[in-house]
Amino acid sequence: DQQVKQNSPSLSVQEGRISILNCDYTNSMFDYFLWYKKYPAEGPTFLISISSIKDKNEDGRFTVFLNKSAKHLSLHIVPSQPGDSAVYFCAASAGGGSEKLVFGKGMKLTVNP
Amino acid sequence: DTGVSQDPRHKITKRGQNVTFRCDPISEHNRLYWYRQTLGQGPEFLTYFQNEAQLEKSRLLSDRFSAERPKGSFSTLEIQRTEQGDSAMYLCASSLAVSGEKLFFGSGTQLSVL
Repeated sequence: DQQVKQNSPSLSVQEGRISILNCDYTNSMFDYFLWYKKYPAEGPTFLISISSIKDKNEDGRFTVFLNKSAKHLSLHIVPSQPGDSAVYFCAASAGGGSEKLVFGKGMKLTVNP
Repeated sequence: DTGVSQDPRHKITKRGQNVTFRCDPISEHNRLYWYRQTLGQGPEFLTYFQNEAQLEKSRLLSDRFSAERPKGSFSTLEIQRTEQGDSAMYLCASSLAVSGEKLFFGSGTQLSVL
């Protein structure tokens, strides 16, 4: 069963607008969440993370929001840029660290100029 | 370049053959992970090492798979008697054994079993 779900396979936005990528999880033991970005023919690259003791973490244009009661997190990219076009993976782990990450299936973001 | 390095980038083999992949982690990282990614899926955890000790293996890692990390440096992943279902991208990642430390991934080895 899919413990981390990214239900929308793709998203297309205009340059300068906000991109919102959603992720749901089912395992209440997860306490650390990460977003990775992946370009074709490259490995995933870490983007931003959040611990379950927080509900928001911000890094430049990227903000991750965590709603523990809903078991939902989202990644906001503002403003979106064409270089942000990639596949984005949501990942989660139990135990406070990055070991044994459980990934979602990914969402392809396209930012149009 | 001091990132995670994987070799080869691509491997084509015939069903039944053995293959071995190599991963060189970031030098100061003591944790090393293997993941597998198939088309349309996210990476799936296979196994991880802390230094030379293999601490956890997924049930995805059948008896035909073996991973080693001698001396706690580079790691190899061997698949014996390959099957077409083994075709996937095999990703290696490394990190420091610190809570909340992110994983750094290599570019992966794309395996095609004919």
